[in-house]
Amino acid sequence: TQLLEQSPQFLSIQEGENLTVYCNSSSVFSSLQWYRQEPGEGPVLLVTVVTGGEVKKLKRLTFQFGDARKDSSLHITAAQPGDTGLYLCAGPGSSNYQLIWGAGTKLIIKP
Amino acid sequence: KAGVTQTPRYLIKTRGQQVTLSCSPISGHRSVSWYQQTPGQGLQFLFEYFSETQRNKGNFPGRFSGRQFSNSRSEMNVSTLELGDSALYLCASSLGTLQETQYFGPGTRLLVL
Repeated sequence: TQLLEQSPQFLSIQEGENLTVYCNSSSVFSSLQWYRQEPGEGPVLLVTVVTGGEVKKLKRLTFQFGDARKDSSLHITAAQPGDTGLYLCAGPGSSNYQLIWGAGTKLIIKP
Repeated sequence: KAGVTQTPRYLIKTRGQQVTLSCSPISGHRSVSWYQQTPGQGLQFLFEYFSETQRNKGNFPGRFSGRQFSNSRSEMNVSTLELGDSALYLCASSLGTLQETQYFGPGTRLLVL
């Protein structure tokens, strides 16, 4: 069974600090997606990483896909209150028709 | 382009009742997936439809069912509601495969009393 484990489950930090959250698996994924969900809304895609070792930047957010394509990380530099939300990673399962989801990291950035 | 819409947004039911939730995907999207989201369990996959056919189903009891219409709109039905069915139900649409970007609706929050 393919699983995605996200850590930490919860993170609360002050504005301006840096942080990293992780998405790990014992299985190889062809790609991984990162979504952010804000209260009262559905998740919104931030980025898709496809190639092992790939690094993608989205303003202050840096996403990395592990060389073996079993893990990914999201690093936020100088976090802002607007970064608050639930960060979810997801990857295609062995069946083409099912995405495997991590349980998410709930991030709170305090002003 | 209009986003994914879900109706109703909020719903209160009592145990034993049934409920039908609706999802209208982005125009041109043929794949619709349904998820149950609870604080303790995260995002749990219910089922996925493509061109009116259910292609995959998660590990939920038969009380949970769905369908997709020719215009790609989808409905899910939960019969004989239980307290544990209280959750946020999200639908997501995409062009065709789950490797593509999933566009989520705002969800329907169901409370079972």
